[in-house]
Amino acid sequence: KAGVTQTPRYLIKTRGQQVTLSCSPISGHRSVSWYQQTPGQGLQFLFEYFSETQRNKGNFPGRFSGRQFSNSRSEMNVSTLELGDSALYLCASSLGERQETQYFGPGTRLLVL
Amino acid sequence: DQQVKQNSPSLSVQEGRISILNCDYTNSMFDYFLWYKKYPAEGPTFLISISSIKDKNEDGRFTVFLNKSAKHLSLHIVPSQPGDSAVYFCAASAPYNAGNNRKLIWGLGTSLAVNP
Repeated sequence: KAGVTQTPRYLIKTRGQQVTLSCSPISGHRSVSWYQQTPGQGLQFLFEYFSETQRNKGNFPGRFSGRQFSNSRSEMNVSTLELGDSALYLCASSLGERQETQYFGPGTRLLVL
Repeated sequence: DQQVKQNSPSLSVQEGRISILNCDYTNSMFDYFLWYKKYPAEGPTFLISISSIKDKNEDGRFTVFLNKSAKHLSLHIVPSQPGDSAVYFCAASAPYNAGNNRKLIWGLGTSLAVNP
């Protein structure tokens, strides 16, 4: 069974631009969560989608948004990029309702110049 | 407010010895705990988990111990190998709002170095 895939793997943007990251969960998984990882900050939870609905949300500004499609694939969008948005963005999928064990993709490394 | 704390940012161990990584939590509603391992530039990989109804779970070289009264869990790696060098994250899960909604709270990680 294929794992979680994320595209693109690397991205360079400039301040003020916007970016869309994509995540394809493991087949059969209905929950997708997004995290931001920066050095010294661990994994910061962005949001979680289940059956195309945002179920949980972390403490990030409204510039960060996401959505989930009927095939469980998810996208994350960041508008008006800031230098501090440079990070590794991780997507994780899990089977379903109990959001227990999450399986992570390789991440998208975003650099904002 | 860090509900899941990994107080040691780093740990260094000799190959063949035991590695013990610790995690403390504050929320008594947490009922499921997980450990993940992360190599640089990769996503975290699930290692082992434990439900709050147990106090120990073992999988090969990895054992997780849970002390509910102390709100403490630990991951033991025996024997430690150089390939175990990575950042280890502790995570805890609790019911959130109504229904089957749950929240996963992460620690900041402990960087383990296993020296040959």
